[in-house]
Amino acid sequence: DIQMTQSPSSLSASVGDRVTITCRASQSISTYLNWYQQRPGKAPKLLIFAASNLQSGVPSSFSGSGSGTDFTLTISSLQPEDFATYYCEQTYISPGTFGQGTKVEIK
Amino acid sequence: DVQLLESGGGLVQPGGSLRLSCAASGFTFSSYVMRWVRQAPGKGLEWVSSITGSGASTYYADSVKGRFTISRDNSENTLYLQMNGLRAEDTAVYYCAKDSEDGSGANGYWGQGTLVTVSS
Repeated sequence: DIQMTQSPSSLSASVGDRVTITCRASQSISTYLNWYQQRPGKAPKLLIFAASNLQSGVPSSFSGSGSGTDFTLTISSLQPEDFATYYCEQTYISPGTFGQGTKVEIK
Repeated sequence: DVQLLESGGGLVQPGGSLRLSCAASGFTFSSYVMRWVRQAPGKGLEWVSSITGSGASTYYADSVKGRFTISRDNSENTLYLQMNGLRAEDTAVYYCAKDSEDGSGANGYWGQGTLVTVSS
């Protein structure tokens, strides 16, 4: 299976901050990389698919980039509703595998 | 609107069985791969099983192979997960998820989840 490693595991930030989360794959996955947001007690929600494509209805403050093994999720200006845990997922090779998550907390 | 509604979770003893259901609406159910993804308490996401739109092909995580069976009833727009030989480590919230529209393999929509607790 392909291993996905996110960094950092957690971070503290303030409203309005720019936040960057990194995801690294154990082998090249082209752009088969998705990002999800999970608020406490809720189901995950797809934010970005195929590395850089914004899911319908997701604010443009979210963006994704990368290809091969290194990927980034950026939140350009953190809003109160963005405090959550974020997961990357590769779907290049079945089974899809998730990163361990990055928890974004309020500073 | 797409809706996925899981049911069937609960408390079960080790070695027991449960069948989870996921009622789908708002899309052409038979056209989409469907998946089960679970999340142990305080842990991350783990893919469990997938099934193609026709139901002809199924896939399982090694951790559940031989114990869990995924199936679907396209006439009833319902996805199932039959879980046998349950273990403590199967304790988790189980989500059903619909394949995305774009061919990326992403999980475009998720249900609210159903909690399975395996304990004596």
